[in-house]
Amino acid sequence: NAGVTQTPKFRVLKTGQSMTLLCAQDMNHEYMYWYRQDPGMGLRLIHYSVGEGTTAKGEVPDGYNVSRLKKQNFLLGLESAAPSQTSVYFCASSYWDRLSNQPQHFGDGTRLSIL
Amino acid sequence: KQEVTQIPAALSVPEGENLVLNCSFTDSAIYNLQWFRQDPGKGLTSLLLIQSSQREQTSGRLNASLDKSSGRSTLYIAASQPGDSATYLCAVLRGSGTYKYIFGTGTRLKVLA
Repeated sequence: NAGVTQTPKFRVLKTGQSMTLLCAQDMNHEYMYWYRQDPGMGLRLIHYSVGEGTTAKGEVPDGYNVSRLKKQNFLLGLESAAPSQTSVYFCASSYWDRLSNQPQHFGDGTRLSIL
Repeated sequence: KQEVTQIPAALSVPEGENLVLNCSFTDSAIYNLQWFRQDPGKGLTSLLLIQSSQREQTSGRLNASLDKSSGRSTLYIAASQPGDSATYLCAVLRGSGTYKYIFGTGTRLKVLA
């Protein structure tokens, strides 16, 4: 059972470089999310998607872009990496539920360092 | 603005103890609350989800309660084991259809053998 798979697992970038983080889920979930986790700050929502072809801003969207061209994939792009974007990035997915009572399933994270 | 707080930040207990982890939130207008477990270097695993209309949920040795009016939830772990060592996070959903969870910063639990 693959669940939610994130690639790469680790990456080191130089300031100003760009990169794309890939999230893939095999559970046919409608909703997908990108979070960042920083010490002492908990998880914060960057962007999310409620279905193929849709994206929406979360709590901390600046400096990031996303795309959901296929239902199973959600891509997070860093346009011009900055040291403040050093973090652990988590992707999650869930079913759509009218009552919003479906748990989120998380990937194992991508550890990103910006020098 | 919804804020979620978990106290204590870290906790060490001997094996076999029953323990309670706390989660408090400032806005009682939540839709549901989830408890997650996070192992080092791993993602989050959903343990229990409590709908706003419910008072508690149970799964094995875990029991989560919710008191919306006071803005509090507790996660009770019975007969703790070293394998329970992990960080436990709670998250609240602010409203139906938004799927925007607000996470606490977690309690790091260590169960000593």
